[in-house]
Amino acid sequence: NAGVTQTPKFRILKIGQSMTLQCTQDMNHNYMYWYRQDPGMGLKLIYYSVGAGITDKGEVPNGYNVSRSTTEDFPLRLELAAPSQTSVYFCASKGGTTDTQYFGPGTRLTVL
Amino acid sequence: AQSVAQPEDQVNVAEGNPLTVKCTYSVSGNPYLFWYVQYPNRGLQFLLKYITGDNLVKGSYGFEAEFNKSQTSFHLKKPSALVSDSALYFCAVRGVNTGGFKTIFGAGTRLFVKA
Repeated sequence: NAGVTQTPKFRILKIGQSMTLQCTQDMNHNYMYWYRQDPGMGLKLIYYSVGAGITDKGEVPNGYNVSRSTTEDFPLRLELAAPSQTSVYFCASKGGTTDTQYFGPGTRLTVL
Repeated sequence: AQSVAQPEDQVNVAEGNPLTVKCTYSVSGNPYLFWYVQYPNRGLQFLLKYITGDNLVKGSYGFEAEFNKSQTSFHLKKPSALVSDSALYFCAVRGVNTGGFKTIFGAGTRLFVKA
């Protein structure tokens, strides 16, 4: 049981490039989340999903897109990277009967 | 609107001394309250939660937290700090009447435990 896994661990992008951050969970959780963590700012919710085929915007969705074709996977796409997207990105999941979120190890993204 | 505040950016404590990390919240209705810990280069890990019942909640690694409804606080405590407790601690809140996605995290408090 690996929990929540994220790839890559680190990435450097040039302005205007695109990339997909991968997130997979093996706990059969319905809820999945993407957060970004900026220094001194806590976690901000980017997108979330309540089940396969269902996604919705969080607090800071601009510049990102998501899809949820399976229960296990919840990739986050950056289409036109900007320096403001330099951050650490965390994926999390939660079962339907618990309020505890399980976090992945994070992806550190730098946009230059 | 929901909000959570962690008034201290950093807390310093000597090993063996008690520690407190403060958290206050604002939410409509009854709150679900959480503490998470983040070690360097790791994701957040769940420590404890308050849903209902006893105001003193016990969690992992000897931590506990006290829910105080009148002061809208949920301070994290430990009777005797360890150097290994040094980490970043996040308080989080969700209103009972909101959906499962609306958990708001505080900005975090960095705890330093000195040997």
